[in-house]
Amino acid sequence: KAGVTQTPRYLIKTRGQQVTLSCSPISGHRSVSWYQQTPGQGLQFLFEYFSETQRNKGNFPGRFSGRQFSNSRSEMNVSTLELGDSALYLCASSFTVGNTDTQYFGPGTRLTVL
Amino acid sequence: DQQVKQNSPSLSVQEGRISILNCDYTNSMFDYFLWYKKYPAEGPTFLISISSIKDKNEDGRFTVFLNKSAKHLSLHIVPSQPGDSAVYFCAATSTGANSKLTFGKGITLSVRP
Repeated sequence: KAGVTQTPRYLIKTRGQQVTLSCSPISGHRSVSWYQQTPGQGLQFLFEYFSETQRNKGNFPGRFSGRQFSNSRSEMNVSTLELGDSALYLCASSFTVGNTDTQYFGPGTRLTVL
Repeated sequence: DQQVKQNSPSLSVQEGRISILNCDYTNSMFDYFLWYKKYPAEGPTFLISISSIKDKNEDGRFTVFLNKSAKHLSLHIVPSQPGDSAVYFCAATSTGANSKLTFGKGITLSVRP
């Protein structure tokens, strides 16, 4: 099976712009989670989608949003970009929403905000 | 509030020796714990997990130990190999359907040949 894919892999934006990142889960996986990784902060949970519904949300401002389509592909959007949004954004998919189900991560999208 | 703590940012070990990576947690509701390994330019990959009903889980060279009373877990890699050099993340969750994974900040392991 193909793994989790994320596009684009690298992105450079300026403050105030908005950005959309895309994630295609492993075929058959219905749960998609998004994480932000910054140096020294580990992986911070953004949100989780299952069957097109947001099931869980982390402590991020409303500028961060996401959605999931009927084919389980997911997008996340960040509006009014700030310098602090520069990070690696990781998407992970799993078969179910249960937390003992292994999450498989994509390679991430490296976002740089200038 | 950091609920999962990996207090040592880095660890250097000689090839063939044991690597011990530590992780502490504060949330007593956590009952399932995982370790992920991450190479540069790649996403994290699942390594091993342990449920709170166990105190040890072993998979090849990797063993995870859980001390619930101390809210502490550790990952042992024996013997360590240069290919094990990576960032290791500890993660924890409570096994409710709407619970999320909480990750530590990671430990960079370097295995010297």
